[in-house]
Amino acid sequence: ETGVTQSPTHLIKTRGQQVTLRCSSQSGHNTVSWYQQALGQGPQFIFQYYREEENGRGNFPPRFSGLQFPNYSSELNVNALELDDSALYLCASSLVAREVPYEQYFGPGTRLTVT
Amino acid sequence: EDQVTQSPEALRLQEGESSSLNCSYTVSGLRGLFWYRQDPGKGPEFLFTLYSAGEEKEKERLKATLTKKESFLHITAPKPEDSATYLCAVQAYSNTGKLIFGQGTTLQVKP
Repeated sequence: ETGVTQSPTHLIKTRGQQVTLRCSSQSGHNTVSWYQQALGQGPQFIFQYYREEENGRGNFPPRFSGLQFPNYSSELNVNALELDDSALYLCASSLVAREVPYEQYFGPGTRLTVT
Repeated sequence: EDQVTQSPEALRLQEGESSSLNCSYTVSGLRGLFWYRQDPGKGPEFLFTLYSAGEEKEKERLKATLTKKESFLHITAPKPEDSATYLCAVQAYSNTGKLIFGQGTTLQVKP
């Protein structure tokens, strides 16, 4: 069974730039959620994708956007990067069956540094 | 507002010294409470799901329990390899896609 994978592992960007982070879900899972984790804090929910549509969003501005593809992989896009966007970005996959959500399994994360 | 508070923020134990971590929560309609372990620079690793008050789950030296207001993660005779940050999260029926996390408890077990 293949776990959740994310790429890249680390990324350094300049304020104002745009970034795309990628996630491959665990085998058998059909849902992907994205979280932002600042140093010393718990993860904060950005949004979830189910059936290729956004299915719930946290308190993040529209410059955070995403996609889910037919193979259930996903992308997180962040435009107009700000210094406060520096964080560990986590992707989690889960199975939703008969509208019942199950546990979320996390990938290793992408460490984004904005300078 | 749904929220989760974990205590203590940090805990230092000697190897073999048992203790408990606390997770207090406020949520409108709890669907599930989750415990994760996170090593530095890594993604959270799933440990347990608890769905209803009175439920208990065990895995090796860890035991999780749930009441209507809080959850405890009991660590029995910990080893240095148990050192990590332990995260608690809740899931509400109103938004089952979203996990609301506490800030975590960082556990250090010294040999």
